Parts: sequence; structure tokens; C-alpha cells
Amino acid sequence: AQKITQTQPGMFVQEKEAVTLDCTYDTSDPSYGLFWYKQPSSGEMIFLIYQGSYDQQNATEGRYSLNFQKARKSANLVISASQLGDSAMYFCAMREGEYTASKLTFGTGTRLQVTL
Amino acid sequence: EPEVTQTPSHQVTQMGQEVILRCVPISNHLYFYWYRQILGQKVEFLVSFYNNEISEKSEIFDDQFSVERPDGSNFTLKIRSTKLEDSAMYFCASGDLAGARYEQYFGPGTRLTVT
Repeated sequence: AQKITQTQPGMFVQEKEAVTLDCTYDTSDPSYGLFWYKQPSSGEMIFLIYQGSYDQQNATEGRYSLNFQKARKSANLVISASQLGDSAMYFCAMREGEYTASKLTFGTGTRLQVTL
Repeated sequence: EPEVTQTPSHQVTQMGQEVILRCVPISNHLYFYWYRQILGQKVEFLVSFYNNEISEKSEIFDDQFSVERPDGSNFTLKIRSTKLEDSAMYFCASGDLAGARYEQYFGPGTRLTVT
């Protein structure tokens, strides 16, 4: 069975600094997709970034990048130049099968607080 | 930009009552999902739906739950006899197999409170 582990329940970062949110995963499927979602206090789930298991390069989307280390089964989210609006819960999720419509399995999340 | 919509945003119901949560997926999407998030916990998969039938369901999705796509645009989740532990945020999502990510697009959620 697939599993996502986020070991940091909460993180603090100063504005304009970079922060790394950890995510490790476990799956027996050789093909999978990894996602990061942001959930602000208003509750909606906002897609941030995606990494496919066969992607050779780390994914980047603006200030977000994904540090994908396949052998270590980790997919850490790096947020550069943090902003106050980045304060939110962040969830890592995995889908077994890279080119499928199967379900997402989520981690327990990390609450990020950006301070002045 | 097209988006998934959900109604109502907040539903309060008494234990034992039936509730129907409604979702309008993105119009050209073919895959539909319900997830729930108990307050302060992680998001959990309930059910996926494709081609007018359930394609996968979790152990949470027992006989008290059902899904339907009644008219080609709406996608509903029914809970027949609500329990206190059904109190949660319920997210609808939709997706297709276009693009490289096969991303699921989430709606804003319906907060269900069972009293």
C-alpha cells in the first residue's frame, strides 16, 4: 500500500528566506506521480507542483521547486523567497501510476508560518 | 479559468438525517472524486467515479454513502444517515487524462457539521 510521510507538523520561516518541507513516500509501483497542495485557512486545496516518477529533472513552478530524490523516496518542497501569503498547511500527495486517474493519497501536512 | 464548484459551502444537519453534497466538475472532465478532511487531519480518499460507475472506493465509503451523476453536469455525494463522525470538509475533485500531470482539480469544499 502506498504511504506518504510528512514529519514536520509545523515550520517557521522568516519572510524572504527559503524553506524546505519534507515528504517521503513508500510505494511498490514503479510508476507514480507526486503532488504538493497548499491549503490556506480558507480551506481550499491549491495545486502547487507535480513530479512524475520518470521525470529526469526536478519540477519547478515559480518560487516552488521539488527536490526529488528517487532512491531515497523523498519529494521535498522548496519555497524560495517566502512571503506572508505562504502561511498555510502544505500537503504532499502521491498517485500510483504516473499516467492514470487513480486516487491521491495524502500526508498529514505541514503547517508553515511565515514571520516578519 | 474553469473550476470545480461545490454547494453548499456549509451544511449543518442532525445525526441520522440524510445529506446530499453537490459538485459541478469541470465540464470536459471524465473522472470524478470525493475526498474528506476531518478537522485538523489529512485529506482522505472516499470514492472515484468514471463512466457512470464507481471505479474505486475506500473502506470509509460504506453502505451509508452513495454517489451519482444525475444529469451529466452535477456529481453528488449522499450520506443516508449521518453520524457525528461524518463531520468533516468534503472535497469534490475532477480530472481528465490530458496534459502531463493528469492533475485533479479540487473544489472549495463543503463543510459538513453533524450535531
